Amino acid sequence: DGGITQSPKYLFRKEGQNVTLSCEQNLNHDAMYWYRQDPGQGLRLIYYSQIVNDFQKGDIAEGYSVSREKKESFPLTVTSAQKNPTAFYLCASSSRGGTGGYTFGSGTRLTVV
Amino acid sequence: GIQVEQSPPDLILQEGANSTLRCNFSDSVNNLQWFHQNPWGQLINLFYIPSGTKQNGRLSATTVATERYSLLYISSSQTTDSGVYFCAVAPRAGSYQLTFGKGTKLSVIP
Repeated sequence: DGGITQSPKYLFRKEGQNVTLSCEQNLNHDAMYWYRQDPGQGLRLIYYSQIVNDFQKGDIAEGYSVSREKKESFPLTVTSAQKNPTAFYLCASSSRGGTGGYTFGSGTRLTVV
Repeated sequence: GIQVEQSPPDLILQEGANSTLRCNFSDSVNNLQWFHQNPWGQLINLFYIPSGTKQNGRLSATTVATERYSLLYISSSQTTDSGVYFCAVAPRAGSYQLTFGKGTKLSVIP
């Protein structure tokens, strides 16, 4: 079955650490996205990529970094510069240009301890 | 950027009742989607509907692009319909990325 796999489901980070969230898709989608969701809120865009080796900042990119070396993969690193990283992180993919529907992964819950 | 407002923010229904959720947006769009987020956080795409009307079982959606709103209809609601419903849009000019509303939290009680 085609879909998006995010791992891990739960992640705990100590102050000052960088952590990397994995996102892999086998839908042959060109575009991939990272969103952050805080309790009781909608989703906010962190980074997006329309093609391999290219990505753009979204609305809340500060303290995050990404790479897109393969079409199937779009990992997100939460750096120590992100002051409030505790949140639910969702990865999505779509056809290039964002037309059609988005497919989301099941998410990663990150907690700072 | 484009603004998305959803109403109502919360809705409690008896099982079997019908409901209408509304999404207003501030600019012309080339992409509008409705999602359902279940209690475990999984987001499921319900409709891709930048204009017109679509139906899928007990759910249907209508987007009136010229008046900048979309409606999601749920008929004969079931407890499994509970969760948060999000509307998300991308503007006609400029970025392709979706901007999400804050959602409508639906609780269906037996």
